[in-house]
Order: sequence, then structure tokens, then C-alpha cells
Amino acid sequence: AAGVIQSPRHLIKEKRETATLKCYPIPRHDTVYWYQQGPGQDPQFLISFYEKMQSDKGSIPDRFSAQQFSDYHSELNMSSLELGDSALYFCASSLGTSGQETQYFGPGTRLLVL
Amino acid sequence: DQQVKQNSPSLSVQEGRISILNCDYTNSMFDYFLWYKKYPAEGPTFLISISSIKDKNEDGRFTVFLNKSAKHLSLHIVPSQPGDSAVYFCAAYNQGGKLIFGQGTELSVKP
Repeated sequence: AAGVIQSPRHLIKEKRETATLKCYPIPRHDTVYWYQQGPGQDPQFLISFYEKMQSDKGSIPDRFSAQQFSDYHSELNMSSLELGDSALYFCASSLGTSGQETQYFGPGTRLLVL
Repeated sequence: DQQVKQNSPSLSVQEGRISILNCDYTNSMFDYFLWYKKYPAEGPTFLISISSIKDKNEDGRFTVFLNKSAKHLSLHIVPSQPGDSAVYFCAAYNQGGKLIFGQGTELSVKP
């Protein structure tokens, strides 16, 4: 079965640069979520989209923005990168937003900011 | 403020025995819980879920128990296999529809 696809898998950037992470949800899934996982931490919710509209927002810095496109893929744009942005970024997708759906996670993008 | 807590950072179990991973939550309004398994360099993989209207859900070797009065859930794996060695995350949906994760428990199953 098709899973969530994330690209790139690894990314190295320098401080103050920008980065764009991409997420392709499971076919027919209409909801996309972004999470950030720092070293030794649990995944922290950043933002989600349902049917191309932002549905919820978590602890996402103002330097970050995201959107969901007509084909349901999503991009997380990160500007003015800081050392503390180094983390694993996961995308997840689900069908619907009832609060009882299963979120299926992608393999993650490992971002290293030097 | 950790709303979902996994107080054991690690657990070691012998192959063939039962693994019990515990999770506590603080908000009695949480009504749907999930367990994920995570290998290094991979994303979390969904294992099993439970709704607050149930107290048990079973899927093969995995069983999740929910004790609403104690705000506690546990994941039982029996029999444990070396391939089960991974980090296990408990997660709950809050009222806003956000999935809140625990800190994770690293399970090591010894042959």
C-alpha cells in the first residue's frame, strides 16, 4: 500500500538560509499534519491542513509557513533558519479530522542547520 | 506541561515474554488513544488504537487496555520478539483535535 512520502530525506542548511520540505499524503487522504521532533523528544505538532485549508496550528514559529495544494501535497517553508531548527520533521496524513482518525506518518526529513 | 506521560524511558524484556508499556494522561476529556512504534531513522508506525468507550482492544500480539478512572493505558505485547525492539509512543487526541504524544519508551527484546 502507498505510504506518506517526504522529500528530501536529509537536508543540510546554514543559519539564515531557507528550506522547503515536501509531503505527499496517502492517496485519497485529505488531511496533512506536520510535526517536529527534536533529539530525545516526542513529536510536537506544528500545523495541519484539511481540504487545502489550514485546520489547526500548534507551536509553529512565525518564520515557518505551510500550505496544502490542490493535489493535497503539502510544503513546509522554513526561513531564517536557526541552529535550534535542526530536527526531524514528520508529515502525517489521514482521512478526515474527526479527532478519532489514524494519522499515518512519513519517514521524515532530517534537517541539520549549521 | 506533559499531558501524555510515559514514565519509563526504557524497558528490557526476554524474547517470548510479555512486554507491558504504560502511559498516563492528565485530561479526562481525551477520548481516543493510539500507540505508535518507531525505529531509528523512520517515521512512527501506527500499531493499535482505542476509543474511550472501550476498555480493551486486541490485534494479534498487541492488546491495549484503557482504565479511564485512572487515566491510564497500557500496551501489552505477547509474545515479545526481537523485531519488536523500538521506541513506542503513546498518543491521545485533545479536544482541539491535536495528537499529543508521550515521551516514548524504548523497548529492547533480548533473544
